[in-house]
Amino acid sequence: NAGVTQTPKFQVLKTGQSMTLQCAQDMNHEYMSWYRQDPGMGLRLIHYSVGAGITDQGEVPNGYNVSRSTTEDFPLRLLSAAPSQTSVYFCASSYTDRVGQYFGPGTRLTVT
Amino acid sequence: KNQVEQSPQSLIILEGKNCTLQCNYTVSPFSNLRWYKQDTGRGPVSLTIMTFSENTKSNGRYTATLDADTKQSSLHITASQLSDSASYICVVLDRGSTLGRLYFGRGTQLTVWP
Repeated sequence: NAGVTQTPKFQVLKTGQSMTLQCAQDMNHEYMSWYRQDPGMGLRLIHYSVGAGITDQGEVPNGYNVSRSTTEDFPLRLLSAAPSQTSVYFCASSYTDRVGQYFGPGTRLTVT
Repeated sequence: KNQVEQSPQSLIILEGKNCTLQCNYTVSPFSNLRWYKQDTGRGPVSLTIMTFSENTKSNGRYTATLDADTKQSSLHITASQLSDSASYICVVLDRGSTLGRLYFGRGTQLTVWP
């Protein structure tokens, strides 16, 4: 199993550009989440999904969109990048919300 | 407000020594509490997960305790190794919302010196 994979590993965007961060898992997990991690702060939930076709907002959803058309994939879209979105983004998955999550390696995003 | 507080913020110990990290939470209703280890530049990795009825759970040299009455947990690391240098994150699951929420502490940064 590859586990949770994220692409790209690094990305630099200009303010106003849009892009999609990719996340895929091959463990047939129903639960998938997107987090951002900023220096001195804990991981903050952006969006999550409990199955294909079902998504919900987390703590900091503004400026981000998600969709879940398949069990395996959970892409995160930045609509119009802002410097405040400079962060490290982690995708995570789990079989249920009662077990520990598997995290991807992260995407380091810089918005200039 | 649901919160997870960890202490200390950072800790330096010598290789071979033991240490204990603390986690206090106000999340209610409580479902479970997790401890994660995050190496620099990598995603967190799950160490333990504890439910309301569990007081102690071990994973090798890591032992987590939970007191659901006082809403406190600790992570004890025995005979520390250089590879234990990492951030340790306490996470609590809230069952109050329909689909569940996870609340993350800011982590304790542990440095193990030779």
